[in-house]
Amino acid sequence: NAGVMQNPRHLVRRRGQEARLRCSPMKGHSHVYWYRQLPEEGLKFMVYLQKENIIDESGMPKERFSAEFPKEGPSILRIQQVVRGDSAAYFCASSPVGDRINTIYFGEGSWLTVV
Amino acid sequence: GQQVMQIPQYQHVQEGEDFTTYCNSSTTLSNIQWYKQRPGGHPVFLIQLVKSGEVKKQKRLTFQFGEAKKNSSLHITATQTTDVGTYFCAPPSAGGGSQGNLIFGKGTKLSVKP
Repeated sequence: NAGVMQNPRHLVRRRGQEARLRCSPMKGHSHVYWYRQLPEEGLKFMVYLQKENIIDESGMPKERFSAEFPKEGPSILRIQQVVRGDSAAYFCASSPVGDRINTIYFGEGSWLTVV
Repeated sequence: GQQVMQIPQYQHVQEGEDFTTYCNSSTTLSNIQWYKQRPGGHPVFLIQLVKSGEVKKQKRLTFQFGEAKKNSSLHITATQTTDVGTYFCAPPSAGGGSQGNLIFGKGTKLSVKP
């Protein structure tokens, strides 16, 4: 039973380039969440998606960041025109259909380095 | 806004000693989750607490939820080197935040000396 799958695990981008991070939820899970973790910090909620819907994007920066979870395929977190401050670990998490409890299960993360 | 404070921020113990981390919220919580993150790793779900005064045990780990549901603690008995990592409490965001919108503090970083 595969867990939450994220790729790439490590990504290096030059300033101004685009970064795309992908996430496939656990089998049977249709709720996806993206979190960001800066070095030596806790995780910060970014966005909550269900298939083809953004449910809560209250933690997303207003510019350059977008997320989607299409009907088919993985969820994508897209960062345009990356800057050094975007360097962080980006964790995707998922939870089951209809689960009203707040337990979520994290993937192994994607480490973005902007040079 | 809602704040979650964890203390201590760092804890160094000798293997075999006990360890406790405390989590305090500025608001009353509906529930709280605990996660462990190994160095370079991802957060791993440990437990969820829901009821006032709830106590749950997992082998050497004991989790408590305060009577007022504004604080929680994690106690590890006789630490082992495998306990090394950062322990986070994570309550849901207040003010009608969506499910899965959890508030993580900075965590307590535990190191264990063999």
